[in-house]
Amino acid sequence: DTAVSQTPKYLVTQMGNDKSIKCEQNLGHDTMYWYKQDSKKFLKIMFSYNNKELIINETVPNRFSPKSPDKAHLNLHINSLELGDSAVYFCASSQEVQGRSPLHFGNGTRLTVT
Amino acid sequence: AQSVTQLDSQVPVFEEAPVELRCNYSSSVSVYLFWYVQYPNQGLQLLLKYLSGSTLVKGINGFEAEFNKSQTSFHLRKPSVHISDTAEYFCAYSTGTASKLTFGTGTRLQVTL
Repeated sequence: DTAVSQTPKYLVTQMGNDKSIKCEQNLGHDTMYWYKQDSKKFLKIMFSYNNKELIINETVPNRFSPKSPDKAHLNLHINSLELGDSAVYFCASSQEVQGRSPLHFGNGTRLTVT
Repeated sequence: AQSVTQLDSQVPVFEEAPVELRCNYSSSVSVYLFWYVQYPNQGLQLLLKYLSGSTLVKGINGFEAEFNKSQTSFHLRKPSVHISDTAEYFCAYSTGTASKLTFGTGTRLQVTL
């Protein structure tokens, strides 16, 4: 059973389009995250939700909007895609809000904007 | 400012040789330290963590790390690497419960025959 699963694995789209990435975890964790990994492998947190409540909202363009319908799901919607949005987006979860609790990552969604 | 530094962007090593991947942190408060591994086309997975207690931490796949407060380091070591250890390794830290986890820039370990 996959602990943190995200779909799609690959996403190729044109500038200006709107797209969504879905994430689900079956670990019973309370906290979920979205991370962005750029072409140089640098990882940066974007958002974090704890029990459906937004707790971390880094400096991310407001074209990015997370949505958590329940604590097992955290989706990411991106409006008006730009070339610079091309990256790998990782969903993750942890038992508690970050600190001592390790993160469990999905396998990533590679977004390519042309 | 608090940060974590991985000085080596790439580390080439022959199979069965020992390896050390370096990580230094900068923080004026207590830290929690982690090492994660990312295999090609996969997400990150936890190798080991230091929260408190014994400064020598053992992780999965034969890796270990030592927390050195005086040198503000948390270097990752393995006495004998395998081809399958080829991956990207990330050091990460947080400064307390409910604190954001910050990743280093990663070190690419390339193991060859």
